[in-house]
Amino acid sequence: DAKTTQPTSMDCAEGRAANLPCNHSTISGNEYVYWYRQIHSQGPQYIIHGLKNNETNEMASLIITEDRKSSTLILPHATLRDTAVYYCIASYALNTGNQFYFGTGTSLTVIP
Amino acid sequence: DVKVTQSSRYLVKRTGEKVFLECVQDMDHENMFWYRQDPGLGLRLIYFSYDVKMKEKGDIPEGYSVSREKKERFSLILESASTNQTSMYLCASSTGDRGWTEAFFGQGTRLTVV
Repeated sequence: DAKTTQPTSMDCAEGRAANLPCNHSTISGNEYVYWYRQIHSQGPQYIIHGLKNNETNEMASLIITEDRKSSTLILPHATLRDTAVYYCIASYALNTGNQFYFGTGTSLTVIP
Repeated sequence: DVKVTQSSRYLVKRTGEKVFLECVQDMDHENMFWYRQDPGLGLRLIYFSYDVKMKEKGDIPEGYSVSREKKERFSLILESASTNQTSMYLCASSTGDRGWTEAFFGQGTRLTVV
């Protein structure tokens, strides 16, 4: 798995877009970018993943740069319930599965 | 609704005890994982299993062992618990598909070793 680098913490005003950056400069061509989040006292929850193209689902949007060395998770209208730790992972599932190496993530605080 | 269930939410054990943390998934997933989570260190992979009776070491396997006798169950064993194993332990499972897979996590077991 490629190493990822994220800011330790970020703040965002409620109702504004939260943009969470991630660097994965050593990502290989077949590695997907995943985002998970962990709300206090719960297990991490999958948000979104992408390979080359930008992706959007009901939770968030994922923007991957053309060289794939970085990405941004966008929460379009942050709410207080989005306060959590967000993890960016670059990984590819082999025949023996995907090992999902998490790091320390970004602690996002949504401010009223 | 997919589910990964960890047997205990909170555990308190004494130093030197043998401790079993149990995890069960109901999604027929091939892969199962054990992580520990500590402040400032994030989630660190202890062991994972990609099939019954198969296991691979993660980043921090020392002091731990695992058992997977049935597909749905993955146990983490602390042979002789020590205070530095006080932590939050998280179990996860995923399919064995190549490419991209989603990991589903349990609620975690907060273990305190005294």
